[in-house]
Order: sequence, then structure tokens, then C-alpha cells
Amino acid sequence: DAGITQSPRHKVTETGTPVTLRCHQTENHRYMYWYRQDPGHGLRLIHYSYGVKDTDKGEVSDGYSVSRSKTEDFLLTLESATSSQTSVYFCAISGQGADTQYFGPGTRLTVL
Amino acid sequence: DQQVKQNSPSLSVQEGRISILNCDYTNSMFDYFLWYKKYPAEGPTFLISISSIKDKNEDGRFTVFLNKSAKHLSLHIVPSQPGDSAVYFCAASARNTGNQFYFGTGTSLTVIP
Repeated sequence: DAGITQSPRHKVTETGTPVTLRCHQTENHRYMYWYRQDPGHGLRLIHYSYGVKDTDKGEVSDGYSVSRSKTEDFLLTLESATSSQTSVYFCAISGQGADTQYFGPGTRLTVL
Repeated sequence: DQQVKQNSPSLSVQEGRISILNCDYTNSMFDYFLWYKKYPAEGPTFLISISSIKDKNEDGRFTVFLNKSAKHLSLHIVPSQPGDSAVYFCAASARNTGNQFYFGTGTSLTVIP
């Protein structure tokens, strides 16, 4: 299994509060991705990174920001959480762009 | 607009029989396709892939078929086992033009013992 961890694994927060999710990898892969999974939508890309300090938006990036200051860590921040951001968030990594991705265990976020 | 579609939300199959999961795509630039398997409360696990230069790829009980003219791929599992019960996602990318994968909405497979 690829060495990918996500923290926290579960979080409950209130509308309007900031939330940061962390993805950590030990594979030294260049590409890292954040997805959300919702019923009826499958997996949708939020943001991805193609190197330290290099990031780009995915199809559902509104309301989210990311940062990557080290190869191994990719942070996803919800500046002001809303109930529509209640979801399961997955981090993924790959050695090359659009190459096989390996996923972390997920973070279940509930915004009340 | 969904570029990758899995039109069957669920599928039930008897143990030992063949499971066929289908996936359609709309973007003719897609040239690399993956299938993932997901158990509840876990991350998706890579299962099998196929490049657009092939029309078939096998790995044990799993075979993926690609029909480029129809923009259709399918995953065959033979024989199906109860442990195959999971949600299966297909994903597609255009490797020459971007770094993104587009995922289908998933098909929940139940293998009945």
C-alpha cells in the first residue's frame, strides 16, 4: 500500500469556522490531489499540486484553498465551512500527472 | 457536465458468475482509463488500467475492455466472489493535455453467496 495518511479521519465543525485537512505521503510522489466524494457525484477533484508551491484548481474548487510547502504534505483549507461542504475527502498521489493515483483512507467532515 | 458516466448505480450477481460493470465517456481526448474498487470507510484501491493503444487488459480475474469508437469501457470479473462486493469507479484522463482524472459516479456490486 502506498504510504498516504490523512488527518483528522473524522471531524465535526460548525458553519463559518475554518477547517484544515492534512494529507501526508512517504512515497516522494510529485503529484498530490484532493477529492470529495458525494452520493450521486462520485469523486470530484477540488485542487491538485504538481510540485512544492505549485497548485491548480479542479472542477469544484470554490470555497477551498490548498498549500504545499513540502513534498510530503498537502493541506486543504475550508476558510469558512458551509453545510454544502459536508462530505468525505480523499487525498491521492501519483508519480506523474494523469498517471495511476493512490488514495488515502479519507476524512469524513460534517459541517453543522 | 459529467464526462465519465456509470449508468448502473448497482448490480447483483451470483457467486461464481461473471460481473460486468460498464462505463461511458464523452471526451475523445481521453487516452488512459482506470478502475478502482472501494469498500465502505476506506479509500479507493487501484484495480486495473488500460491505455488507449490497447483494447483489452487482463489481471487475474479482472479484465478491462476498451471500445474507443463507442467511447465505452467495461470491467469483467470472472468468477465473482463475495469479497468483490464493493463500489467500483471508472476514471479517465487525457495524459497529453492535463493532469486530471475524471471519475464516474460508481457502481455498487453485490456478489450473492
